[in-house]
Amino acid sequence: KAGVTQTPRYLIKTRGQQVTLSCSPISGHRSVSWYQQTPGQGLQFLFEYFSETQRNKGNFPGRFSGRQFSNSRSEMNVSTLELGDSALYLCASSAKSDTQYFGPGTRLTVL
Amino acid sequence: GQQVMQIPQYQHVQEGEDFTTYCNSSTTLSNIQWYKQRPGGHPVFLIQLVKSGEVKKQKRLTFQFGEAKKNSSLHITATQTTDVGTYFCAASSSNTGKLIFGQGTTLQVKP
Repeated sequence: KAGVTQTPRYLIKTRGQQVTLSCSPISGHRSVSWYQQTPGQGLQFLFEYFSETQRNKGNFPGRFSGRQFSNSRSEMNVSTLELGDSALYLCASSAKSDTQYFGPGTRLTVL
Repeated sequence: GQQVMQIPQYQHVQEGEDFTTYCNSSTTLSNIQWYKQRPGGHPVFLIQLVKSGEVKKQKRLTFQFGEAKKNSSLHITATQTTDVGTYFCAASSSNTGKLIFGQGTTLQVKP
């Protein structure tokens, strides 16, 4: 099976802009989670989607949002970008157990 | 909220030395997972422990789950340069079901 794919892999934006990241889970996986990884904060949970519904949400401001489509693909959107949003954004899919299969991530740089 | 504390944050060892990272929680965990992230890569699932006192081995890696299911450890015997990376533990929150990651232990191995 193909692994989790994320696009784009790298992104440079300026403050105030918005960005949309995409994630395609492993075939058959219905749960998709998003994480933000920074050197200082480690892996921070953003949200989890299952069957197009947000099942869990982390402690991030409303500028961070997501959605999941009927084919389980997911998108994450960040509006009004801030410098502190620069990070590696990781998507992970899972099947029945909560074992996470991570994608390669999208490296976002906000200038 | 539930937290998972992981120590040490960094560890430098000489190739051939042993290495251990510890994960602790103030609450009882239903299970614990371990992941490895190579430099520049994404976290990769290593193992899941479920039973009290469980011990699992993967070649030179030994994973333990405490009797009280509040702590876990990963021990690497005779480290090699291929062991370099950041090791994360992760546990499901009993309240929300979210997967909570420890801060990670970054291992450097000197050849």
